Amino acid sequence: DAKTTQPNSMESNEEEPVHLPCNHSTISGTDYIHWYRQLPSQGPEYVIHGLTSNVNNRMASLAIAEDRKSSTLILHRATLRDAAVYYCIVQGGSEKLVFGKGTKLTVNP
Amino acid sequence: IAGITQAPTSQILAAGRRMTLRCTQDMRHNAMYWYRQDLGLGLRLIHYSNTAGTTGKGEVPDGYSVSRANTDDFPLTLASAVPSQTSVYFCASSLTGWNSPLHFGNGTRLTVT
Repeated sequence: DAKTTQPNSMESNEEEPVHLPCNHSTISGTDYIHWYRQLPSQGPEYVIHGLTSNVNNRMASLAIAEDRKSSTLILHRATLRDAAVYYCIVQGGSEKLVFGKGTKLTVNP
Repeated sequence: IAGITQAPTSQILAAGRRMTLRCTQDMRHNAMYWYRQDLGLGLRLIHYSNTAGTTGKGEVPDGYSVSRANTDDFPLTLASAVPSQTSVYFCASSLTGWNSPLHFGNGTRLTVT
């Protein structure tokens, strides 16, 4: 059973913010939320992860709902280089990361 | 810093042949992983190793074997390749086996004919 639900695709315009949603309604209290992205013809790349509090790094921000049943990856100013497939992954305990199909983000110039 | 190095970049292999995909990391990470990526199926974990000397099975281990003789290297072997093993193979590593970011290589594109 899928632990996360993401839209298949989204579009954005260059230099505008992008909010990528992820639903994880069955998340348990100790599960972490991870985001990775995969640019064309490359391996996946770590973006950000968090548990309960919102997280920021140089690439993006992660906003986690108070009930933790959903989260949003925020790219503050999309660039053409941000066009990729974005994966939201919930990881519990000693589980290994399980990648779903992700959201394909298209950035329009 | 090289990070994760995979070799070869691509390979065409006849069915029934033996093949070893190589993976080397220079980050002194404890955990290493092999994933395969197929169109429409996303990335699936084949095998993993939490630390040198140990290995474990992922979602799709059949037809593959791994070894972890040292920290840096994690080769993936196909003993007798079949066409269904045509895929892009990604090696990854992480500092620990839990809750630390994975670093991926650029993949090996394998075609079994």
